[in-house]
Parts: sequence; structure tokens; C-alpha cells
Amino acid sequence: DAGVIQSPRHEVTEMGQEVTLRCKPISGHNSLFWYRQTMMRGLELLIYFNNNVPIDDSGMPEDRFSAKMPNASFSTLKIQPSEPRDSAVYFCASSDRLAGGTDTQYFGPGTRLTVL
Amino acid sequence: QKEVEQDPGPLSVPEGAIVSLNCTYSNSAFQYFMWYRQYSRKGPELLMYTYSSGNKEDGRFTAQVDKSSKYISLFIRDSQPSDSATYLCAMSSSYNQGGKLIFGQGTELSVKP
Repeated sequence: DAGVIQSPRHEVTEMGQEVTLRCKPISGHNSLFWYRQTMMRGLELLIYFNNNVPIDDSGMPEDRFSAKMPNASFSTLKIQPSEPRDSAVYFCASSDRLAGGTDTQYFGPGTRLTVL
Repeated sequence: QKEVEQDPGPLSVPEGAIVSLNCTYSNSAFQYFMWYRQYSRKGPELLMYTYSSGNKEDGRFTAQVDKSSKYISLFIRDSQPSDSATYLCAMSSSYNQGGKLIFGQGTELSVKP
């Protein structure tokens, strides 16, 4: 299995531009998560989907952020307009059920976003 | 107060040392406890998983959970330079939460040869 695939791996953009991050989860996984990681705040959950339906978006910082999952094999996280404080590494993860009854998450390699 | 607290370090030890990494938490409903390892410029990967209280051993790694104290630990014996990474604890409370985890901030570990 190829694992969770994210694109692009690096993105440099200017303040005010629209940014779209993409994720392909592991085939057969039912849940998908978007995280943001910074030195100051660590790993923050932005939103997660279960069976393509958004379950909890309480971590989305503001209306500039939106996420979609049109089908089981693709999700996007969009920032419009982008700001310098959005600079971070954005991870996508998908989850599978562990023996013993809970799920674990498999992370993609991340997208390193820099907003100038 | 955060639900999960973890000392961010950094922690630097000589090769062969025993390493102890810890997290405290406030939500008594947490039942599933995990440790993830994150190498530089990579995504986190699951290292160990424990249900409820007790110990679990896997090679040089031992995970401990003390639910009465709301405290979990990861011990690394005979640490190696290849163990240098950030270690994140994570936990969840419900079988049916769809996999949502609460992460600690991560502890950066450096093992010097």
C-alpha cells in the first residue's frame, strides 16, 4: 500500500492567495483527519470526516479555512485568503480499526506551507 | 488547561541510556493510549498502543499507563541514535469516536553517539 498521499509537499505563496492542499487516504479507511503542526502549538486537529461526512470541524481556525471530501479517496483543505500566520506543516491522516477496539491513524508526509 | 500535557523538551541523552517520556491528562474517560514517533520532516507513525492501565513491552520500548494518576510513560532501553525523533502521546475515550485522538505537544529526543 502506498500510504496516505499528500500534495503538494511544499507550497510557498503570497499573502492573500488561495491555497489548496490535497490528500488521498489509504484505501478502505473510513475516517480522514486534517492537522496543522507548528512549533508553538504542536499538532492541532482541524477537521475530521467519517464516511466522507464532516464530523467535527471545531478546530478550523476561521472561515478562511474549508475542507471537502467528495469521495472516499480524496479530500481537500483550502485556505482563502492565506495569511502569514497560516504557515505550518499540514498533515492528512486516515484511520483504521486496531485489534482491541479503537482506531489508529496513519499520517501522510505533510505539506509544508509558507505564506509570505 | 490542555487535556493532555507533555514536556516538549528537548531531551538529550548519551547512547545506551534509559529514556523516560511522560504525559499527564485530565480527562478520566480516556481509555486508549498511544505513542507516536515523528522523525524530522516526516509524519507521525504509531509506535505503541495500550488499552486502559498496565504495561506493554515491545523490544526496547515499554509503555505504562497509570489511570489513577492520569499519567502515561514510554521507556526506551539501550537508546540508539536512530531513536532521535519527536515522541507524541495520544489518547482517546470512545470506541466509536471514529478515530479522533487528542495529542500531546511532543517531546523532542536526541540520542548522542
